[in-house]
Amino acid sequence: GAVVSQHPSWVICKSGTSVKIECRSLDFQATTMFWYRQFPKQSLMLMATSNEGSKATYEQGVEKDKFLINHASLTLSTLTVTSAHPEDSSFYICSARDPEGDPGFDQHFGDGTRLSIL
Amino acid sequence: TQLLEQSPQFLSIQEGENLTVYCNSSSVFSSLQWYRQEPGEGPVLLVTVVTGGEVKKLKRLTFQFGDARKDSSLHITAAQPGDTGLYLCAGLILGYSTLTFGKGTMLLVSP
Repeated sequence: GAVVSQHPSWVICKSGTSVKIECRSLDFQATTMFWYRQFPKQSLMLMATSNEGSKATYEQGVEKDKFLINHASLTLSTLTVTSAHPEDSSFYICSARDPEGDPGFDQHFGDGTRLSIL
Repeated sequence: TQLLEQSPQFLSIQEGENLTVYCNSSSVFSSLQWYRQEPGEGPVLLVTVVTGGEVKKLKRLTFQFGDARKDSSLHITAAQPGDTGLYLCAGLILGYSTLTFGKGTMLLVSP
């Protein structure tokens, strides 16, 4: 089945640094990828929709200058948390939509990245 | 406004008990998915339902999609400790291009 790889799985860094998270679709080309944020024991919150070759669409309340998204190829989207602070610590999950898949069966999730800012 | 209401939010039961988790909305879904997620991992798709009235079974798990495609339920028979996790419903609401997630149900099954 379709596989989405997310890297790194866990990152710890100092406050003020920028952190890049990668999301790759391994066996399909994803024109659309999604980035979610999840707090402990809570559901996924959509942050932004990443479209290959164009600007990302951010959800209300998500700072686009804080969370930079780049979708430069059909198999890779990156999320950069700029000047990260402890309140940015969270679990970040990406998903990719397979354009060849049937609706409802076409979105595949990565394993998430645990970001801890000290 | 929460577009997809999921209940209960927390459920702690003993091994062998049955349980049901509900997802409800005032909106119509073109499809609805159920996921299970363990700590530190991404959500894993359990099932997708697309047809009103549809019932799908996955071993001890039974999924129903309401006739009007506005609600769904997940029923687990004879729960086991391995069923412990966060269960999420998510759906594509007609007219929307992104998945809408419920708030999740944290299930704890004790031996």
